[in-house]
Amino acid sequence: RKEVEQDPGPFNVPEGATVAFNCTYSNSASQSFFWYRQDCRKEPKLLMSVYSSGNEDGRFTAQLNRASQYISLLIRDSKLSDSATYLCVVNQPRGGGNKLTFGTGTQLKVEL
Amino acid sequence: EADIYQTPRYLVIGTGKKITLECSQTMGHDKMYWYQQDPGMELHLIHYSYGVNSTEKGDLSSESTVSRIRTEHFPLTLESARPSHTSQYLCASSEWGGGAYNEQFFGPGTRLTVL
Repeated sequence: RKEVEQDPGPFNVPEGATVAFNCTYSNSASQSFFWYRQDCRKEPKLLMSVYSSGNEDGRFTAQLNRASQYISLLIRDSKLSDSATYLCVVNQPRGGGNKLTFGTGTQLKVEL
Repeated sequence: EADIYQTPRYLVIGTGKKITLECSQTMGHDKMYWYQQDPGMELHLIHYSYGVNSTEKGDLSSESTVSRIRTEHFPLTLESARPSHTSQYLCASSEWGGGAYNEQFFGPGTRLTVL
């Protein structure tokens, strides 16, 4: 079983739609959780951190369920510019530091 | 924009050649990382460093080696390139935060093709 699992998609949605991505992680000792965005042939960039109480940043809402080891990302009123791959990322303790484990990513295509 | 740079951006080279992928950052970050990513696949950590003279192997076994002589510089070397090394190599850095997470900033990547 992969440490971080995501539905690879693609999710093809019309502009203005609401879309939700899910992610599960296997290590219950995981401490921090994030969503990164990666455009085609570009480097990943941090979209938002995921806090235990859930958090919102404009049209984006992230949720964490530690009991179920599940993370979600909700995008409201999707724009064409939201088209990208969304990476679920989990920070796991590792020796004296920490390690980020990346999911395969979920591809989103927003269409007119 | 993150101040982390990688060169070359694209490299096509023949089998058996020695190559060095450069990565440098001007943010003064202690932690640096190398990831390998094939098209449509997840990033795999192949090397990381906590600071000068610190290098560790990541989760994915790699025939490459790294060095960290200066804080800002974290080059990756392949002594003898093979077609199986064809991939995208992404360098990243983050601040040192003890047990706390700090955002990783990624460079633009190097697309390596070994013929």
